Amino acid sequence: GAVVSQHPSWVICKSGTSVKIECRSLDFQATTMFWYRQFPKQSLMLMATSNEGSKATYEQGVEKDKFLINHASLTLSTLTVTSAHPEDSSFYICSTRTGWGTDTQYFGPGTRLTVL
Amino acid sequence: RKEVEQDPGPFNVPEGATVAFNCTYSNSASQSFFWYRQDCRKEPKLLMSVYSSGNEDGRFTAQLNRASQYISLLIRDSKLSDSATYLCVVKGSGSGTYKYIFGTGTRLKVLA
Repeated sequence: GAVVSQHPSWVICKSGTSVKIECRSLDFQATTMFWYRQFPKQSLMLMATSNEGSKATYEQGVEKDKFLINHASLTLSTLTVTSAHPEDSSFYICSTRTGWGTDTQYFGPGTRLTVL
Repeated sequence: RKEVEQDPGPFNVPEGATVAFNCTYSNSASQSFFWYRQDCRKEPKLLMSVYSSGNEDGRFTAQLNRASQYISLLIRDSKLSDSATYLCVVKGSGSGTYKYIFGTGTRLKVLA
């Protein structure tokens, strides 16, 4: 399957700061990447779909001005949590879509964000 | 009603047991189905796709019942290493055909 990396794997920050998370597709060019959020004991919830060279598509209820997504190349998408607050503490996971076969998604290892 | 529903468990089973999980989905137009495995504090990893005719991969068997809109996963001869959360995933239809919709997962604990 496809290989996806995320950086950082965990981050602790103070309330009000901004945090950038990188998602890289290592072995194929991903025109589409997805950003998910998972709170403890809950399911993964899609936040937004990131398309290379165009604006991200956000799911209902996700603030686009708070969660800035940039997909400037076929191998890199970034999610910036602006002015983070404790309620933003979560597990953020990206995935890439292969676009072939069963169109499987492969997930990055996730970034655990803790906002103090 | 949730789009994808699973029994959260936990299912506690002894090593060597056979265990089955079910998942129901609400959108009859859904086209693709998957089982993912997620270990604690890790990302989901694809276990297997689910095909209409049913499919098997070693000790794992997946079934799809379109008429009743449910998917199942059977694990035979459970190993300690099978302990994880199993996520039922349905790929969207219509304008959101590429989107994954996740169930909340079913926790499995295999006991020695």
